[in-house]
Amino acid sequence: DVKVTQSSRYLVKRTGEKVFLECVQDMDHENMFWYRQDPGLGLRLIYFSYDVKMKEKGDIPEGYSVSREKKERFSLILESASTNQTSMYLCASSRSGPGGVTQYFGPGTRLLVL
Amino acid sequence: AQKVTQAQTEISVVEKEDVTLDCVYETRDTTYYLFWYKQPPSGELVFLIRRNSFDEQNEISGRYSWNFQKSTSSFNFTITASQVVDSAVYFCALSETSGAGKSTFGDGTTLTVKP
Repeated sequence: DVKVTQSSRYLVKRTGEKVFLECVQDMDHENMFWYRQDPGLGLRLIYFSYDVKMKEKGDIPEGYSVSREKKERFSLILESASTNQTSMYLCASSRSGPGGVTQYFGPGTRLLVL
Repeated sequence: AQKVTQAQTEISVVEKEDVTLDCVYETRDTTYYLFWYKQPPSGELVFLIRRNSFDEQNEISGRYSWNFQKSTSSFNFTITASQVVDSAVYFCALSETSGAGKSTFGDGTTLTVKP
């Protein structure tokens, strides 16, 4: 089974703090994604990566950055957390190539910024 | 641009009722994938089904069935004889077939099944 893990289920941070959200997958997937989920807004793509050290902006990248130094790990960074970044953050991974595309999700991190 | 619309924000049914979740999509691509995911209260999205745009054959898996109609750009999901454990948020998604396979998600439908 595909396993995607996220470093924390719940996180409380203060405004202005630098926040790191870590995601690890164990299926050697090429692609990794970070989403945020807010009530009534579905899942919105923040950033994704299709290879080590490669990244592309999603629909709402402002206020976020990412890092992918190893294939299995994809980090989301909030350089200076703000209250409007309080949300549920979901990481996903998928395989490239024919038959790939299906995204497998981690359990999510509920971030509260005070 | 791709778009997925799940017009039903919330649905409430009584156990054993059948329920259909609607999904309508927009895309200019000729090839794409469609998905349904389930998000139980624990939070993790669970993959349910994937359909290729070339394959309009309906699918049944136990109490779940999916109706893909390209002519109406719809990919509806029916749960037969619903159970309390079906209570969750259900997301429909549309993916590109090239590159990283970026997905566009609908806003989700919250299904509550009452005993």
